[in-house]
Amino acid sequence: DIQMTQSPSSLSASVGDRVTITCRASQHISNYLAWFQQEPGKAPKSLIFDASSLQSGVPSKFSGSGSGTDFSLTISSLQPEDFATYYCQQYYSYPFTFGPGTKVDIK
Amino acid sequence: EVQLVESGGGLVQPGGSLRLSCTASGSSFSSFYMTWVRQAPGKGLEWVANINGDGSEKNYVDSVTGRFTISRDNAKNSVYLQINTLRAEDTAVYYCARARGPNLWGQGALVTVSS
Repeated sequence: DIQMTQSPSSLSASVGDRVTITCRASQHISNYLAWFQQEPGKAPKSLIFDASSLQSGVPSKFSGSGSGTDFSLTISSLQPEDFATYYCQQYYSYPFTFGPGTKVDIK
Repeated sequence: EVQLVESGGGLVQPGGSLRLSCTASGSSFSSFYMTWVRQAPGKGLEWVANINGDGSEKNYVDSVTGRFTISRDNAKNSVYLQINTLRAEDTAVYYCARARGPNLWGQGALVTVSS
C-alpha cells in the first residue's frame, strides 16, 4: 500500500498568513493527488484534484502543486473560515490512501 | 445542485449487519465512480471501497474485504455498502463520495457497533 505523510501535523497561524502544507507519497503517484478540507463535525470538502486543479467553486486562494512523490497545498491569505484540518489522498493505486491530516488553528 | 444523501446508519451489536445507502440528486450518476470513506471518532479519513460506473469493478481496503460489499443501482441513482460481521473498530461516520479523487461528499452516516 502507498503510505501518505503530511507535514506539519498541526500549525498555528494568523489571519492573512500564507500557509503551506506538504504531502509525501511512499512511492510515485504521478499527479493522482487530491486535497480536502474538513471543519469539526462536518463532512470533508474537496479543494484540489490531479495535484493542482481547483475544484469548481473553490476560491483561488487555494493552490496545489507537485508531482511524483512530493506535493503541497498553499493557502495564500488565511481567513477565519480556513481554520480546519486538511487531508491529502492518493488515487493512483488501490487501496487509495489518505494522509493523517494537518490541523490549522488560530495563533 | 447535485447532492449526496446517506442513510441507514445506527447502533448495531458486534457481529451484526447493516446496509448503508447513498442517493444522488442530479444526472450523470452512472458516469462516476462512487466511493465510501469512513472516519472513526477523533481519527482521520480512511478510504473503504469504490465501484465504477456500471458496477463491474469493485475495490476494497484489506481490512474490510470479505465483510463489506459495495454495489450500485443506477436506475435509482444510489450506491450501497453492505456491512457484515460488524466489529467495534467499524464504529465510524461513513461518507459516500463521488469520483475516484472525490469531488463531492455526502453528510455522513454514523455507525456505532456496541453491545
